[in-house]
Amino acid sequence: EDKVVQSPLSLVVHEGDTVTLNCSYEVTNFRSLLWYKQEKKAPTFLFMLTSSGIEKKSGRLSSILDKKELFSILNITATQTGDSAVYLCAVVPGGTSYGKLTFGQGTILTVHP
Amino acid sequence: EPEVTQTPSHQVTQMGQEVILRCVPISNHLYFYWYRQILGQKVEFLVSFYNNEISEKSEIFDDQFSVERPDGSNFTLKIRSTKLEDSAMYFCASSPDRLTLNEKLFFGSGTQLSVL
Repeated sequence: EDKVVQSPLSLVVHEGDTVTLNCSYEVTNFRSLLWYKQEKKAPTFLFMLTSSGIEKKSGRLSSILDKKELFSILNITATQTGDSAVYLCAVVPGGTSYGKLTFGQGTILTVHP
Repeated sequence: EPEVTQTPSHQVTQMGQEVILRCVPISNHLYFYWYRQILGQKVEFLVSFYNNEISEKSEIFDDQFSVERPDGSNFTLKIRSTKLEDSAMYFCASSPDRLTLNEKLFFGSGTQLSVL
């Protein structure tokens, strides 16, 4: 059974801090890894990672994948209160799968002013 | 930016009743999905749908669940006889094509189903 584990489960920081969120996975057939931000309801897409060692960056957020060690990290620098959310990591399977993403349990990030 | 829209945002029903959750995927998307998230638990895959048929389903998606694309825009999830354990947030999602190195899922804002 495919498995995705995120750590830490929750994190409380102050504005301006830098945070690193972790996602490790064990899947039989890997295609890509996705990061989503979930505020209140709909998960919104952040990054898709397919190649090892290539950093994806968007503003203060960045992410990298290590396919050898089977993990990804999401970094947020200079955190703001608007970064408070649940961050979800999900693995996209390869092969004949049609979209059966396996999600981690999420990291709850709280950023205090 | 195009969005996946879901209605209703909240649904309360009695155990044993049938419910239909509705979704309007992004208009040029071809693949449609339902996921659910029980409070405090992971987002779980239920079913994927393409070309008017189920492409893949999870063990959760048993005979009490069904999906349908009744017209060119709506995508529905029906639960025939709801149980208490069906209480969850149900997310609809769509993608332009089968998930590849370039495709990703776009999620709707969810329907919170409460079974009493």
